[in-house]
Amino acid sequence: GAVVSQHPSWVICKSGTSVKIECRSLDFQATTMFWYRQFPKQSLMLMATSNEGSKATYEQGVEKDKFLINHASLTLSTLTVTSAHPEDSSFYICSAWEVTWDTEAFFGQGTRLTVV
Amino acid sequence: ELKVEQNPLFLSMQEGKNYTIYCNYSTTSDRLYWYRQDPGKSLESLFVLLSNGAVKQEGRLMASLDTKARLSTLHITAAVHDLSATYFCAVDRWGSQGNLIFGKGTKLSVKP
Repeated sequence: GAVVSQHPSWVICKSGTSVKIECRSLDFQATTMFWYRQFPKQSLMLMATSNEGSKATYEQGVEKDKFLINHASLTLSTLTVTSAHPEDSSFYICSAWEVTWDTEAFFGQGTRLTVV
Repeated sequence: ELKVEQNPLFLSMQEGKNYTIYCNYSTTSDRLYWYRQDPGKSLESLFVLLSNGAVKQEGRLMASLDTKARLSTLHITAAVHDLSATYFCAVDRWGSQGNLIFGKGTKLSVKP
């Protein structure tokens, strides 16, 4: 299957700072990338959808100014958590979709963010 | 509102036993996914069910899809400890492939 690489795997940051998470499709071009958030013992919730070269579409309740998403190329999307607070601590997972395959999205390894 | 409901949410099994996890969904999607998640890890794709009546098997796991009933099942045969994990089902949202709505997950614990 296709490989999606997410980096870093874990990060600890101080409250008020910003953190950038990268999501790369290694062996295919991702038409669309998705960012999910998973709180402990909960399911995955979609935060936003990003298409290469256009603005991300955010889900209701997700602050677009706080969670900046950039999808500058067909193989890279980034999520920047700005002015992080402890309540932003979570597991962030990206997935990438390749339209010509049209079978499934492929998930990155996830990033554990802890804000202290 | 699009819903994906799994049951049970918690399942404690003994090794060697069989059990089924159910996934009901409210959309008209004809595509359903099953994933496994180990603690602290991301999702591992188990099955992609692409049409009504689809049945797929891998090892001790078998998944099926009934799009008319909007129901998928994940059947576990002769459970072993290594199957302990959380299992999620998901469907595409509003026909938007890759944009997934997940069930709450079933935490499976297989005891010797």
